[in-house]
Amino acid sequence: ETVLTQFPDTLSLSPGERATLSCRASQTIPGNYLAWYQQKPGQAPWLLSYAASTRATGAPERFSGSGSGTDFTLTISRLEPEDFGVYYCQQYGPSTWTFGQGTKVEIK
Amino acid sequence: QVQLMESGGGVVQPGRSLRLSCAASGFTFSTYGIHWVRRAPGKGLEWVAVIWPDGNIKYYADSVKGRFIISRDNSKNTLYLQMNNLRVEDTALYYCARASGPYDYWGQGTLVTVSS
Repeated sequence: ETVLTQFPDTLSLSPGERATLSCRASQTIPGNYLAWYQQKPGQAPWLLSYAASTRATGAPERFSGSGSGTDFTLTISRLEPEDFGVYYCQQYGPSTWTFGQGTKVEIK
Repeated sequence: QVQLMESGGGVVQPGRSLRLSCAASGFTFSTYGIHWVRRAPGKGLEWVAVIWPDGNIKYYADSVKGRFIISRDNSKNTLYLQMNNLRVEDTALYYCARASGPYDYWGQGTLVTVSS
C-alpha cells in the first residue's frame, strides 16, 4: 500500500503570501493519479487539482498542482483569507485509494 | 445539479450493525463508481470502500474488510454501506463521493458514533 506523507503539518501565512504544500509517496504513483482537496470546517472536501497538475473545474487560478512520480506539490500563489482549511493529497486508483494526513493552512 | 445525500447514521453500541445510504441525483448514477470516505474526530480523511458502476467490482480498506459491505441499486440511484461488528474506532463522519477518477462530487456526510 502506498503511503502519502504531507508536509508541513501546519502552515501559517499572511494573505498575499505564497503557500507551498508537499506530498510524498512511498512508491511511484501510476499515471500520476494524484489529486488535491480542500476541506473547511463543517464542509465536505472540494477537488482542487487532479492528474498531478490539472486544475479542477471551478478551482481558482491561484491553485496549481505539480510534480510526478513520488513528489507532488500544491502551490497557492497568493493566499486569500478564504483559503484557510485542511488540504489533502490523494492517490486515486486504479485499485488503491489513499489520502495523506493533511496540511492545515492558517491565515495570519 | 449533481447531488449526493447520505443518511442512516446514528449512535450504536460496539458489535452492532448499521446501514448507510447515499441517494444520488442530477447525473446518470449507473455510469459512475462511487466511494465511501470517512473522517474520524480529530483525524484526516480515510478511504473506506468503492463499488464499480455495474456493482460487480468492490474494494475495501483493510480496516473494514470482512465487516463492511458496499452495494448499490442503480434502479434507485442509491449506494449503501452495510456496517457490521462496529468498533469504537469506526466513529466518524461518513461521506459518499462520485469518482470520475478523482472525487468530483461529495455528499455532506452522515455521522456514525460507536459507543457503549
